[in-house]
Amino acid sequence: GQQVMQIPQYQHVQEGEDFTTYCNSSTTLSNIQWYKQRPGGHPVFLIQLVKSGEVKKQKRLTFQFGEAKKNSSLHITATQTTDVGTYFCAGRRYTGFQKLVFGTGTRLLVSP
Amino acid sequence: GAVVSQHPSRVICKSGTSVKIECRSLDFQATTMFWYRQFPKKSLMLMATSNEGSKATYEQGVEKDKFLINHASLTLSTLTVTSAHPEDSSFYICSAYPGLAGGLPPYEQYFGPGTRLTVT
Repeated sequence: GQQVMQIPQYQHVQEGEDFTTYCNSSTTLSNIQWYKQRPGGHPVFLIQLVKSGEVKKQKRLTFQFGEAKKNSSLHITATQTTDVGTYFCAGRRYTGFQKLVFGTGTRLLVSP
Repeated sequence: GAVVSQHPSRVICKSGTSVKIECRSLDFQATTMFWYRQFPKKSLMLMATSNEGSKATYEQGVEKDKFLINHASLTLSTLTVTSAHPEDSSFYICSAYPGLAGGLPPYEQYFGPGTRLTVT
């Protein structure tokens, strides 16, 4: 079946440092979404990428969808303690079909 | 807008008993609801897809007789864990998909706060 892997599994940075998580799917995706889950919380939708090579920015967060639509990345510039949490990518294989396959997640810890 | 609630937030039950978890979309109608299971520090594993008025579609390896799903209305889906065992202890999260109507982004799923189940 479809697998979505993320690296690294865990990263601990100092506040102000940059952070990147990479997401790789075993199959070509129709689109990909990114979620953030705070400790003890539930996933919160961040963004969806649809087009090959698409890049979207949300303040300090930059999301990219690979040309082959099999990988994606999330980059956070100048991390803050509020960025702490686990970041999941979630891929959708077929257009119009709502089932998401979640990636393995990257847990980010930011020290002040 | 787009709030999803789950009840209860935490439940402890004895082995062999059944537990029902409710998932409600409070301010929109959900054509589809999804049930996930999450182990500590792990990813979300999709258990089943629930469409209003029809039988749920279970993922491979998920026992449909053990995890009963009912999607009785466009705002309510329930997951019943039958004859619970300690290995069923987990964090169960639902999400609701509003579909193309209602003015919400058509691709976004809205997650409930989750239910932590502990089976003793």
